[in-house]
Amino acid sequence: DAGVTQSPTHLIKTRGQQVTLRCSPISGHKSVSWYQQVLGQGPQFIFQYYEKEERGRGNFPDRFSARQFPNYSSELNVNALLLGDSALYLCASSWGVNTEAFFGQGTRLTVV
Amino acid sequence: QQQVKQSPQSLIVQKGGISIINCAYENTAFDYFPWYQQFPGKGPALLIAIRPDVSEKKEGRFTISFNKSAKQFSLHIMDSQPGDSATYFCAASMLSGGYNKLIFGAGTRLAVHP
Repeated sequence: DAGVTQSPTHLIKTRGQQVTLRCSPISGHKSVSWYQQVLGQGPQFIFQYYEKEERGRGNFPDRFSARQFPNYSSELNVNALLLGDSALYLCASSWGVNTEAFFGQGTRLTVV
Repeated sequence: QQQVKQSPQSLIVQKGGISIINCAYENTAFDYFPWYQQFPGKGPALLIAIRPDVSEKKEGRFTISFNKSAKQFSLHIMDSQPGDSATYFCAASMLSGGYNKLIFGAGTRLAVHP
């Protein structure tokens, strides 16, 4: 079985632009969570989605939004990019809301 | 109260030695404590996890020790190998407000020398 897949793997954007990151969870998993990992730090929680509904949101500005599709894949959108948004964005897949989370390889976003 | 404190920040161990990484938490509502291993340029990979109803869990060379009263847990890597060289993150989580988020420690960079 394929693991969690994220696309693209790398992305360079200019300040003020918008970006969309994509995630496909493990087959059978209904929950997707998004995390931001700044270099040298642990991942920080952004969102959790379950059955296409937002279940929780971390301490991130409204520039960050996400959605989950009927096939349980998910997109993370970030508007009005800032230099500080440069990070590895991780998608985690889990069967339910409160079960083991498995991470994808991440999308490395660089804002210049 | 939502923090997880991890130590040491970096660790050098000789091949065959034991690597020990420690974490502490404050919120007694946490009920799930996983450890993740991350190689450069990769996402974190789930290594082993424990719930507070047991004091120890072993999977191969990896063992979690959990001390509920001290609010501490640790990862022991026995017979450490150069291939274990990576960054290790502890985390804690609980179901609250209808969702579950992992709260990660700052990470420990482990180097195993041959």
